[in-house]
Amino acid sequence: NAGVTQTPKFQVLKTGQSMTLQCAQDMNHEYMSWYRQDPGMGLRLIHYSVGAGITDQGEVPNGYNVSRSTTEDFPLRLLSAAPSQTSVYFCASSFRTGVYGYTFGSGTRLTVV
Amino acid sequence: AQSVTQLGSHVSVSEGALVLLRCNYSSSVPPYLFWYVQYPNQGLQLLLKYTTGATLVKGINGFEAEFKKSETSFHLTKPSAHMSDAAEYFCAVGAGGTSYGKLTFGQGTILTVHP
Repeated sequence: NAGVTQTPKFQVLKTGQSMTLQCAQDMNHEYMSWYRQDPGMGLRLIHYSVGAGITDQGEVPNGYNVSRSTTEDFPLRLLSAAPSQTSVYFCASSFRTGVYGYTFGSGTRLTVV
Repeated sequence: AQSVTQLGSHVSVSEGALVLLRCNYSSSVPPYLFWYVQYPNQGLQLLLKYTTGATLVKGINGFEAEFKKSETSFHLTKPSAHMSDAAEYFCAVGAGGTSYGKLTFGQGTILTVHP
């Protein structure tokens, strides 16, 4: 059981470049989400999905795009990277009811220069 | 709407002393409450959770938390701190039903443990 797997672990982008952060889970969780973590701000929800084909915006969605074609995968796309998107990104998943809490990936540290 | 306030961005204790990390929440529906711990350069690990039932919840590593509805609080405690408890701790609130497990996190509290 791998849990939640995020790739890459580290990435440096130039302003204006695009990239995709990968997230995969093998626990058959319906719910998946992307958070960004910035010092002193906790975790802020970017996008989430309640199942394949269903996504919705979170608190800070601008500049990011998601899709969910399978239960297992939930990639996060940066359309045109900006320095303000320098952050640590976490993917998390849970069963639909949420009573068990999230399982988190180990994170992707992104720097935009 | 949900929100979480963690009182104190940094807490420092001596090894063997009581650990108390404060969390207050607001929620328009009966909440689910969670505490997570994050060690440096790692993801978040679930410490404990309250959903329904007993209001005193025990978690891993000797931590526990008490849900107090009248005070809208869910403070995290540990009777005796250990050096290995040094980490950042996050309180989070969620709700059942149609919220589909969406969690709102507090800003985090960094716990330092001195020898």
